[in-house]
Amino acid sequence: DQQVKQNSPSLSVQEGRISILNCDYTNSMFDYFLWYKKYPAEGPTFLISISSIKDKNEDGRFTVFLNKSAKHLSLHIVPSQPGDSAVYFCAASAPSGTYKYIFGTGTRLKVLA
Amino acid sequence: DAMVIQNPRYQVTQFGKPVTLSCSQTLNHNVMYWYQQKSSQAPKLLFHYYDKDFNNEADTPDNFQSRRPNTSFCFLDIRSPGLGDAAMYLCATSLGGDQETQYFGPGTRLLVL
Repeated sequence: DQQVKQNSPSLSVQEGRISILNCDYTNSMFDYFLWYKKYPAEGPTFLISISSIKDKNEDGRFTVFLNKSAKHLSLHIVPSQPGDSAVYFCAASAPSGTYKYIFGTGTRLKVLA
Repeated sequence: DAMVIQNPRYQVTQFGKPVTLSCSQTLNHNVMYWYQQKSSQAPKLLFHYYDKDFNNEADTPDNFQSRRPNTSFCFLDIRSPGLGDAAMYLCATSLGGDQETQYFGPGTRLLVL
């Protein structure tokens, strides 16, 4: 039973355009969400997060939107750059006291120059 | 810079020969995690420590063991590696409170011959 889902395994976007990566979750107890970027043969790098008390968080070119009623979050990258090409993982912080994080299967983003 | 360090980055072992992977952190975080990641899959949590309190995942094989001798170091021992244990092994840390970010090391790629 996968509690965090990234239904698009891959996405291609032209340089300069917007990249939108989606993530769905099933557990309404999740209260903190994170996005990680992963290059081949490296560990995931933290990108941006959002608390369940917010519906938007922005950091430079990266914005995460949270729709709690739909149990859906999305990562927007504007403008997309070739260096953004990587695998992006969505993760949710499990309910209080467990210190666990539940990961999606990732979306491979390719930004075309 | 505060960080999570993993050594070695690449490890080759023989079928059945014990191997130890190392992780250290300068973040002074309370929680340390070990994940296994196979290509195109989500990182799979093997176990984690909150300080010296060890938490094993129910589906982690007995072949995998861990030690955390102090706050800074954590080890993953694979007692008898099989071909199916070839994967990227990721160490991560978090402070351990609510809505905390998890930080990853660069990973160790294990090859079993």
